[in-house]
Amino acid sequence: GAGVSQSPSNKVTEKGKDVELRCDPISGHTALYWYRQSLGQGLEFLIYFQGNSAPDKSGLPSDRFSAERTGGSVSTLTIQRTQQEDSAVYLCASSLALSGHSVSYEQYFGPGTRLTVT
Amino acid sequence: GDSVTQMEGPVTLSEEAFLTINCTYTATGYPSLFWYVQYPGEGLQLLLKATKADDKGSNKGFEATYRKETTSFHLEKGSVQVSDSAVYFCARQRGNYGQNFVFGPGTRLSVLP
Repeated sequence: GAGVSQSPSNKVTEKGKDVELRCDPISGHTALYWYRQSLGQGLEFLIYFQGNSAPDKSGLPSDRFSAERTGGSVSTLTIQRTQQEDSAVYLCASSLALSGHSVSYEQYFGPGTRLTVT
Repeated sequence: GDSVTQMEGPVTLSEEAFLTINCTYTATGYPSLFWYVQYPGEGLQLLLKATKADDKGSNKGFEATYRKETTSFHLEKGSVQVSDSAVYFCARQRGNYGQNFVFGPGTRLSVLP
């Protein structure tokens, strides 16, 4: 079946502009995650949605970053007033996570959106 | 808090060499542990996992054993191939019941023919 898809694949924007990044998770996956991968760095957790629960926003680096997930499916990550340090690859993942279960379910990753702020 | 430490790369090996990539995690609870791999130009994909102490995860000739006493989950392969060139990420479950992960910084492996 279809995997996690993200759009756009590449985005170049000017400093100070707002950008929206989209993620389409695997159908039926209840959990959705956003990460950021800067050049040569590991994955930085940004935000996690689980079903209808309040999202875990503990990884968002500033109030310029926000995300929403509509209808328990598609998610949009918005970065307002972009800065050069926001340049990175933004990765989305989804999983069959069930709240309260001790077993972790595999996260399936999308191809990422490469954001360049000039 | 929860964290994962990996050996720094890049690691460069000749084909058929033995590979070890070290990974240690903070000893809070009994998290599930994972290795993810990112091949050039591709997204991250799960390589193997282990959910409890002494479990051994294995896939594509790679192995890693969940060592509670040393809080380690080192990745090994007996004979690497050029096609194994990639970035490898160690990850742990956040907490004991969380579905969120904490990832290590990644280790880049280059295998030369």
